[in-house]
Amino acid sequence: AQSVSQHNHHVILSEAASLELGCNYSYGGTVNLFWYVQYPGQHLQLLLKYFSGDPLVKGIKGFEAEFIKSKFSFNLRKPSVQWSDTAEYFCAVLILTGGGNKLTFGTGTQLKVEL
Amino acid sequence: DTEVTQTPKHLVMGMTNKKSLKCEQHMGHRAMYWYKQKAKKPPELMFVYSYEKLSINESVPSRFSPECPNSSLLNLHLHALQPEDSALYLCASSQVTLAGGPLEQFFGPGTRLTVL
Repeated sequence: AQSVSQHNHHVILSEAASLELGCNYSYGGTVNLFWYVQYPGQHLQLLLKYFSGDPLVKGIKGFEAEFIKSKFSFNLRKPSVQWSDTAEYFCAVLILTGGGNKLTFGTGTQLKVEL
Repeated sequence: DTEVTQTPKHLVMGMTNKKSLKCEQHMGHRAMYWYKQKAKKPPELMFVYSYEKLSINESVPSRFSPECPNSSLLNLHLHALQPEDSALYLCASSQVTLAGGPLEQFFGPGTRLTVL
């Protein structure tokens, strides 16, 4: 079965610092990758997605992620974080099955940005 | 309308109660999903409906009974739940391509369920 690992469980940064959150997956077939964000008290929102093509994908709010197939990784980056980026970030892998699409989430990274 | 709505927002129920969670979307999506999210944990898939038919059941106990009465509605019927079933229950929807290709899922705000 596929799995997703996020090694940074808690990250604390100062405003304007650069961010990189790690995501590794284990699945030998074609993967479709996502980063979702969950702001305090709000629902899950899609930050960005990778299906195919350019492995460097850009999302909303200045976030980007790079798919490195050889490393089974899909790390999330942002050059300069803001206080409003404080949230929980989930990496997810979508596997296409005969019965439907199965989305498996990583354990999440709680990001706190301090002023 | 790019919203998935869920009602109620909060639900408290006893172990002998029967209750239902409701999810609605008007984006024309033909796949709908139920997830369970415990505190400080990622969402875990429970059920997938595709074209109103149950296509995936992730070995969920029978005390959870999903229903998809039409393409816009998804229900989760609850009966004889246990305190450990207390969690945030998330609904999501997505389009379905003819080729079965990948598409993003849109999530609702969830129903926070407490079982006493």
